[in-house]
Amino acid sequence: KAGVTQTPRYLIKTRGQQVTLSCSPISGHRSVSWYQQTPGQGLQFLFEYFSETQRNKGNFPGRFSGRQFSNSRSEMNVSTLELGDSALYLCASSSTGSAETQYFGPGTRLLVL
Amino acid sequence: QKEVEQNSGPLSVPEGAIASLNCTYSDRVSQSFFWYRQYSGKSPELIMSIYSNGDKEDGRFTAQLNKASQYVSLLIRDSQPSDSATYLCAVRNDYKLSFGAGTTVTVRA
Repeated sequence: KAGVTQTPRYLIKTRGQQVTLSCSPISGHRSVSWYQQTPGQGLQFLFEYFSETQRNKGNFPGRFSGRQFSNSRSEMNVSTLELGDSALYLCASSSTGSAETQYFGPGTRLLVL
Repeated sequence: QKEVEQNSGPLSVPEGAIASLNCTYSDRVSQSFFWYRQYSGKSPELIMSIYSNGDKEDGRFTAQLNKASQYVSLLIRDSQPSDSATYLCAVRNDYKLSFGAGTTVTVRA
């Protein structure tokens, strides 16, 4: 099976802009989660979607949003970018249940100037 | 208190030795535990999942879980230079993974 794919892989934006990142889960996986990884804060949970419904959300400002489509593909959006949003954004997919193993995509590295 | 804490690194071991990584978690009702390996500049890669108390072995890796002590560990036997990476302990609750800060392991040839 093909793994989790994320696009784009690298992105450079300026403060105040917005960005949309895309994630395609492993075929058959219906749960998609997003994480932010920075050197200072480590890996932090953003949100999780299953069958187009957000089941959990991390402690991030409302500038961070996401959605999931009927084919399980997911997008996350960050509006009004700040320098501190520079990070590796990781998408992970799993089958269904809350205990399921999550498999990570290669990530999108975002640099905000 | 952080949800997941790992022993501080970095950890340097000679080739062929055993590397021991430890992790504690705060949520007593946690049921799913994972170890991921992350090479520099790459995304986390699953090494092991464990759900029940006791040991689980997979090749050179052994995970140990003690729910009463809220403790998870990972042993890497016969460490190889290719094992040099950051190892992340993760606990799954409420559809999310909570990660420790990671322990960086360097295997000296």
